[in-house]
Amino acid sequence: DIQMTQSPSSLSASVGDRVTITCRASQGISNYLAWYQQKPGKVPKLLIYAASTLQSGVPSRFSGSGSGTDFTLTISSLQPEDVATYYCQKYNSAPPAFGPGTKVDIK
Amino acid sequence: EVQLVESGGGVVRPGGSLRLSCAASGFTFDDYGMSWVRQAPGKGLEWVSGINWNGGSTGYADSVKGRFTISRDNAKNSLYLQMNSLRAEDTALYHCARDYCTNGVCYTWVFAYWGQGTLVTVSS
Repeated sequence: DIQMTQSPSSLSASVGDRVTITCRASQGISNYLAWYQQKPGKVPKLLIYAASTLQSGVPSRFSGSGSGTDFTLTISSLQPEDVATYYCQKYNSAPPAFGPGTKVDIK
Repeated sequence: EVQLVESGGGVVRPGGSLRLSCAASGFTFDDYGMSWVRQAPGKGLEWVSGINWNGGSTGYADSVKGRFTISRDNAKNSLYLQMNSLRAEDTALYHCARDYCTNGVCYTWVFAYWGQGTLVTVSS
């Protein structure tokens, strides 16, 4: 099975900072990658699918890129409401798999 | 409004069984594939099982294969997960989730809608 890794596992940044999270697949998955945001006590929220397509209603400060094995989620200007854990997920083939998550908080 | 409401969780002894249910509303249930995704306390997300729109195709994580069975009843707009031979490591919040479709394209295993979950605790 394809394994997903994320780095860093956690980060602390200031409001307004540019934040980048990396996700890597153990084998190529083309662009079959999604990103989710999970705030404490809440269900995950779909942010991005097809590696770079922003889900409707998601702020434009979020963006995704990559293809094959290496992907990034970028928050162009971190806001207090972005404090959350972010998960990547591959969905090209069974079983779909999530990365271990990256916890983002405010410095 | 899309709603997914899980039920059936509880405390069970190792080796025991539970049947989870997910009641769907606000969309045409038999147009969509569905999945169960779990999250152990303080841990990450794990896809458990999925089923296509008519129940003709199912899939399971290796960790539950042979112990869990997913099914659906489109007449009742309901998704189920029969869990047998439960282990301590199955303790988690179990969410049902719906495949995402937009502009006539459906993305299997991309989840824009999630239920709040039902908690399963396996403990002696």
